[in-house]
Amino acid sequence: AQSVTQPDIHITVSEGASLELRCNYSYGATPYLFWYVQSPGQGLQLLLKYFSGDTLVQGIKGFEAEFKRSQSSFNLRKPSVHWSDAAEYFCAVTDLTGGGNKLTFGTGTQLKVEL
Amino acid sequence: ETGVTQTPRHLVMGMTNKKSLKCEQHLGHNAMYWYKQSAKKPLELMFVYNFKEQTENNSVPSRFSPECPNSSHLFLHLHTLQPEDSALYLCASSQGGSGILSDTQYFGPGTRLTVL
Repeated sequence: AQSVTQPDIHITVSEGASLELRCNYSYGATPYLFWYVQSPGQGLQLLLKYFSGDTLVQGIKGFEAEFKRSQSSFNLRKPSVHWSDAAEYFCAVTDLTGGGNKLTFGTGTQLKVEL
Repeated sequence: ETGVTQTPRHLVMGMTNKKSLKCEQHLGHNAMYWYKQSAKKPLELMFVYNFKEQTENNSVPSRFSPECPNSSHLFLHLHTLQPEDSALYLCASSQGGSGILSDTQYFGPGTRLTVL
């Protein structure tokens, strides 16, 4: 079965600093990968997704992610973090058991931004 | 309205109450989902509906009863809940179909449920 690992439970960065959130997946074929963000008390908002093609994908709010098949990773990056980026970030992969249409989520990384 | 909406946003209920959560999507999608998000636990998929048919029940206790009258609306009926059912309940929708690997889910804001 597919699985997603987000090794960092909490990350703290200073405003203006660069950010990289790690995501590793376990999947035999080409994965379909997603990053979502959740602000406190809110639902999940889609940041970006990777299906095929260019391994560097651009998303909303200045985020990007790079798919590296050799490392089974899909890390999320932002060159300069803003205080409003403080939130929880979830990586997910399409779960093909049962015919698809399901996502397997990581446990999330809580981002704190210091002013 | 656009996107996925959920009502109510907050709900407090006793263990003997019966209540319902409502989800509505304005995206023209055909699949809808219920998730449970508890503190310090991964997001748990509860139910999936594709073209109004339930295609996934992730061993959810019978005190949770979903209903999908059409592709735009999804309900979660609650009765005799337990305190451990307190959580954020998220609804999502996607284009749907079977085996669509690129199917992308869009989430509502959630209902914060507290069971006393």
